This record gives sequence, C-alpha cells and structure tokens, in this order.
Amino acid sequence: GNSVTQMEGPVTLSEEAFLTINCTYTATGYPSLFWYVQYPGEGLQLLLKATKADDKGSNKGFEATYRKETTSFHLEKGSVQVSDSAVYFCALRGRGTGNQFYFGTGTSLTVIP
Amino acid sequence: DSGVTQTPKHLITATGQRVTLRCSPRSGDLSVYWYQQSLDQGLQFLIQYYNGEERAKGNILERFSAQQFPDLHSELNLSSLELGDSALYFCASSVAGGQGEYEQYFGPGTRLTVT
Repeated sequence: GNSVTQMEGPVTLSEEAFLTINCTYTATGYPSLFWYVQYPGEGLQLLLKATKADDKGSNKGFEATYRKETTSFHLEKGSVQVSDSAVYFCALRGRGTGNQFYFGTGTSLTVIP
Repeated sequence: DSGVTQTPKHLITATGQRVTLRCSPRSGDLSVYWYQQSLDQGLQFLIQYYNGEERAKGNILERFSAQQFPDLHSELNLSSLELGDSALYFCASSVAGGQGEYEQYFGPGTRLTVT
C-alpha cells in the first residue's frame, strides 16, 4: 500500500542554519510527491511538488528532489528564517482510482533568532 | 487565501450531540476531501467526493458521514460525539478525481471542541 514516513520533530534551528527534513515513501506505481506547510492557526498550503523521478520541486528557497532509487523526497533549505517556523507535511498521491493523498505525520520546525 | 471556505470556524458542543461542518471548494474544483487533525493522530484522511459521488474512504468512523451536493459544496456530519472527536477538521479541494497532475487546496479548518 501507500504510506509516507517523515522524520519526527520537533526541530529547532537558529536563523540561517541549514534545514533537512527527511521523507521516505512506499507506493505502488509512480506517485506524485508533495510538501505542504502549515503555519500556526492556518490550513495546509502547498510548498512544492514533483511528479516524476529526478524532478526537483522548489519554492521560497526550499527544495526537494524525487529520488525513486531511495524512495525519498527530503526537504532542504540552505538558510532558514524565523518566518519558516511551521509544521511541514510530506505527502504522496497515488495513481489510479481515487488518487487518494497520503500524508506524513508532520514535522514541527521552530527557528530562533 | 486558498479559495476553499469552511464554516463554522469554531464549534463547541457536548458529548452525544450531532454537528454539521460545511465546505465550499474552489471555483471549478470537482473533488472535495475531508481530513481530521488531532494532536495524537496527526492528519487523517476521512473521505473524498468527486462530482457528487464518494470516491475514496479513509479512516472515517461509522458515526461520521459526508455528502457532496449538486453545487459541489460538501458537508461532514458528526454524530454521537465523543470527547476524542475534538480536533481540527480540514476540507480540501482539487480539480480532478482521476488521473492528472493536480494538488489539493486546503481550507482554514473548523475547530471542534466536544465537552
């Protein structure tokens, strides 16, 4: 079946530090992969996505590369800001009937000045 | 603003009661998804509707039901409420329910508190 495993938080970093949040997946076929971000008190927003192997999604300085060989989609940012403090969710969408989304458990990131 | 609206924003009710949560998808989106987010369970997929028909079912309790109306808005009905049903309920919408490259757009959520 389909599932997403995300590194557990919480993660606390100093401003300008390098960020990696690990995400691995299990899926039948070739899923699309997503990172969503949830700021305090808000709904989830799409951060970036990749729809096939070796694709790199990027947005707002965040990047993630779809690695089929390691079934991973790790989120990275070279220099985090206080405004990046949020909960980050890795997700996959399978192919076929329903195309249900599967979300990881979320990783809370706090960036301190 | 994602374009997905949810009402009410907050709901406080007692155990044993029944509530209805409402969601209006983005203009043009045919699929609606419902999720429950609680501290201990994370984000749980409940159910998906596509153009009025149930498309996929997740971890939805029998006490919960949903429907999508001809104007594509959706309602999630929660009955015989228990303390453990207290959570944030999110609705999301997307263009399609079948093949195709698309993402989900989330509403702001309804915070349900059962006392």
